[in-house]
Amino acid sequence: SAVISQKPSRDICQRGTSLTIQCQVDSQVTMMFWYRQQPGQSLTLIATANQGSEATYESGFVIDKFPISRPNLTFSTLTVSNMSPEDSSIYLCSVEGLAGDYEQYFGPGTRLTVT
Amino acid sequence: QKEVEQDPGPLSVPEGAIVSLNCTYSNSAFQYFMWYRQYSRKGPELLMYTYSSGNKEDGRFTAQVDKSSKYISLFIRDSQPSDSATYLCACFPIYNQGGKLIFGQGTELSVKP
Repeated sequence: SAVISQKPSRDICQRGTSLTIQCQVDSQVTMMFWYRQQPGQSLTLIATANQGSEATYESGFVIDKFPISRPNLTFSTLTVSNMSPEDSSIYLCSVEGLAGDYEQYFGPGTRLTVT
Repeated sequence: QKEVEQDPGPLSVPEGAIVSLNCTYSNSAFQYFMWYRQYSRKGPELLMYTYSSGNKEDGRFTAQVDKSSKYISLFIRDSQPSDSATYLCACFPIYNQGGKLIFGQGTELSVKP
């Protein structure tokens, strides 16, 4: 499986500001995914990021709030814009495995607290 | 109704017990089924994945899928305190136009020494 790192691991931010989360993979992958995990909740897919194309957002998530970049096959960023306390969550990136069985491997997550 | 339902627990067992973790799902298009383990303040770690119905075993872990009843299970034999974590089931559908991984809420497991 791929080794995935995320920066920052955690942050405390003021409302109204933005935070960019980085996701780095140690191998080239076609698809990268961004999830949100709110306290006590399961994982919710925010968007799918393919290299060279616009990210595809799930219902309830919009590009203005969560802009995503995918400049190459090993890196992606997710920005949480104009933050409010409701954005306090863990943000996770993931990639598909090589077995082709739709399994995904996750990074360690970024724990965001908005005050 | 959520597409994937999972009892959030918490579930507490003594060391050495057999643990049974379960999920039900409603979407007949789900074909791939996964179990993740998530330690506190860590990302989910893929434990096992299976395709369609049947059993799959890996060491102390056995994943079981019963598509007729839309029921998936993870069994942990000889449970250890290090197994204490939240366990998430996830399902992936097969559609012509692709799909996405749908997660259960997660079951918090505590194995007491």
